[in-house]
Amino acid sequence: DAKTTQPNSMESNEEEPVHLPCNHSTISGTDYIHWYRQLPSQGPEYVIHGLTSNVNNRMASLAIAEDRKSSTLILHRATLRDAAVYYCILRDRPGSARQLTFGSGTQLTVLP
Amino acid sequence: NAGVTQTPKFRILKIGQSMTLQCTQDMNHNYMYWYRQDPGMGLKLIYYSVGAGITDKGEVPNGYNVSRSTTEDFPLRLELAAPSQTSVYFCASRPGGFPNTGELFFGEGSRLTVL
Repeated sequence: DAKTTQPNSMESNEEEPVHLPCNHSTISGTDYIHWYRQLPSQGPEYVIHGLTSNVNNRMASLAIAEDRKSSTLILHRATLRDAAVYYCILRDRPGSARQLTFGSGTQLTVLP
Repeated sequence: NAGVTQTPKFRILKIGQSMTLQCTQDMNHNYMYWYRQDPGMGLKLIYYSVGAGITDKGEVPNGYNVSRSTTEDFPLRLELAAPSQTSVYFCASRPGGFPNTGELFFGEGSRLTVL
């Protein structure tokens, strides 16, 4: 399975944008890029996903490089509640039985 | 909808004891999963199921068993608990078929300590 590489930790100031990077140089043409986050003492929750085009939803934006070897999760205005571990994950087409593999993710600290 | 419900939330076991972690979902999802998460680490897949009566091993299945007799329930059984099984266990589900985003819905976790 294709792997992803993320920084272990990042810091951001409250109410400022945060750009969380992810490298996935061995991504295949059918792999979707998913982002999940895990708040303290909770299960992971879905944030966003995309294939080739940039995506926006109420939680975040996902910017995907043209060659798809990297992507960036963008939180437009970080709040203290956004402090979590963020996982960048590759998976096959949504109907596939192949499973998500979670790496160690990026621990985001939001400073007041 | 309650989503994915796990019980118990906390449990302490002695070495060699057995127990079952319960997981139920009310979203009529075909796919269900069990992950474990050790401190400071990502999630590792233990077992998964693509529908009632069908289960398969994940990355770390040793020491565990599962069954899927109904769409709603996916219990995880630990037969002979060992300290290496001290972890937080997460159950998750997602719909199968098309169209769907592939989004996984997670339970709140079950924290297991084996002493």
